[in-house]
Amino acid sequence: DQQVKQNSPSLSVQEGRISILNCDYTNSMFDYFLWYKKYPAEGPTFLISISSIKDKNEDGRFTVFLNKSAKHLSLHIVPSQPGDSAVYFCAASNFNKFYFGSGTKLNVKP
Amino acid sequence: DSGVTQTPKHLITATGQRVTLRCSPRSGDLSVYWYQQSLDQGLQFLIQYYNGEERAKGNILERFSAQQFPDLHSELNLSSLELGDSALYFCASSVDRFLGSPLHFGNGTRLTVT
Repeated sequence: DQQVKQNSPSLSVQEGRISILNCDYTNSMFDYFLWYKKYPAEGPTFLISISSIKDKNEDGRFTVFLNKSAKHLSLHIVPSQPGDSAVYFCAASNFNKFYFGSGTKLNVKP
Repeated sequence: DSGVTQTPKHLITATGQRVTLRCSPRSGDLSVYWYQQSLDQGLQFLIQYYNGEERAKGNILERFSAQQFPDLHSELNLSSLELGDSALYFCASSVDRFLGSPLHFGNGTRLTVT
């Protein structure tokens, strides 16, 4: 039962442009949504989160948007940099029980 | 550096064997989570402990067990290993004092069963 889905396994973007990573979920009871970045041979690193009562949260180049009616969230990276190339996981939590998507591999080309 | 330490980094063992993976959480974190990642798939939740007590269970096989000790470090025991158990095993910790406390992951233990 996949409660969090990332339907795009990979995404390629030119340096300086916007990267948009998408995530869909099924459980309307999720209270927080998070994005993680993972480099090879490392564990996932927390990037940004958003509460279910908000629709946008921004931190520097990273912005997360939440559309509760569509059960959809997205991560925008502007401008994209080669160092952003990594696998991005979205996660949703319900009382601190976390569910992860399968990840999207972002490649930012110089 | 997340502050979460996992040992060993790599483990190669044969089918039928038993192994123990160890995790030391970040200082001050009471919750420890274990996840399995197979073949570039997503992170599958196995089990969570909070301050020594099991709090939540995910898709953890009966051959697998875990515990959290009084010093808050945790161990994941995998027994009667099968080829399909080969995966990356991640431990994560969280302060877990408020909703949305993010997880902080270790660098994982790569288990190879031959």
